[in-house]
Order: sequence, then structure tokens, then C-alpha cells
Amino acid sequence: DGGITQSPKYLFRKEGQNVTLSCEQNLNHDAMYWYRQDPGQGLRLIYYSQIVNDFQKGDIAEGYSVSREKKESFPLTVTSAQKNPTAFYLCASSIGQLGGETQYFGPGTRLLVL
Amino acid sequence: GNSVTQMEGPVTLSEEAFLTINCTYTATGYPSLFWYVQYPGEGLQLLLKATKADDKGSNKGFEATYRKETTSFHLEKGSVQVSDSAVYFCALSVKTGNQFYFGTGTSLTVIP
Repeated sequence: DGGITQSPKYLFRKEGQNVTLSCEQNLNHDAMYWYRQDPGQGLRLIYYSQIVNDFQKGDIAEGYSVSREKKESFPLTVTSAQKNPTAFYLCASSIGQLGGETQYFGPGTRLLVL
Repeated sequence: GNSVTQMEGPVTLSEEAFLTINCTYTATGYPSLFWYVQYPGEGLQLLLKATKADDKGSNKGFEATYRKETTSFHLEKGSVQVSDSAVYFCALSVKTGNQFYFGTGTSLTVIP
């Protein structure tokens, strides 16, 4: 079955530590996205990538970094510069060729600070 | 700019009641419109979509019609079930830039 996988489901970060969230898709989609969701709020775009080896900052990129070395993978690193990282992180993908297309979401990773 | 304004929740309904969740949008150009549903602790699932004016999206008894004249995409269901309890997000996507714009979500609880 095609889809988007995110791991781990729960992730704990210690003070000053960088952590990386995994996102993999086997839908052959060009575009991938990372969103942050805080309790009772909508989704905010962190980074997006329309093609391999290229990515752009979203609305809240500070304290985060990404890479897109393979079409299937778009890992997100939450750096120590992100002072309030506790949130639910969602990865999504879309075909990405025309715009206005459906985004498909993974199951999410919940990041908690120890 | 592009934005989505969604009816604030939470909404609580009895089983078999009629549901409406309002959604209006502002967009440059001609957006595609979407409704997503999120169950507790999960990602978002596409519920329905419409890509041009007067299109009606439908799925699992839910419907929404793309109204260009009122810039709206209200979600409706004739008879809700307990299993419909979730958070519903309205969203738009414009042809340029391929970005999505989400509403803040509306929490629905259906009681037996």
C-alpha cells in the first residue's frame, strides 16, 4: 500500500539536544511538507520541498532544518535553537507538478521535552 | 493574500442531528478547496474536495459545495454518528506555489 510513514510516534528531547523526525513516502510525489500543530490550533508550515535537493522556508522555520537528498525522504531536525518544540509534527506530500493538488498526511510524531 | 476562516468550536450534537460547519475563504486566483478530518492522535485524512466553482465534493455522507459568489465551502451532513467525532479542517490550495492554507479547525463531538 502506498502512503506516508513517520517515525517515531513519540519522541523525547532533552535540553540542548537536536532531534530528527523521519518522513518517508512511497507515493512517487515530488512535493513534501512539514507542519507543526499545537493543541487546539491549526497547522503551521515549517518547511516544504517541491523537488529533490531544493526546499523553502515556511512560516515558522526558525529553529528547524531539513534536507531532501532523496525523493522519498524529507527528514526534519528540531535544533536546540527551537525553544518551544513541544508539539505534534505532521509530514505531508503531494504530486507537486501543477499546484492546487491534494496533500496526503502521515500519522504524525509527538515531540515532548524532558 | 490567501486565508481560510472556519467556524469556531467546539460543536456538540446529538446522534442523527444535522451538521453544518461554516468555512469562508480569501484567495488570489481560483483555488481548490478541501475538507480534512483528524481523529485524536492521528494525522489528517482527506474527507472531500472541490476544484472549481459549483463543484460539490462528497464522501461518507458529508457534502460541501464550492460557492464562488459567497467565497464559501460549508461542510454538511444530514445525520451525524458518534464515529464522526473528530476535528475538521477547511483548507485551500492555489495553483501557484502549491501551498495549503488551513483554517484553525472545528472540534465536533457527537453524543449518543
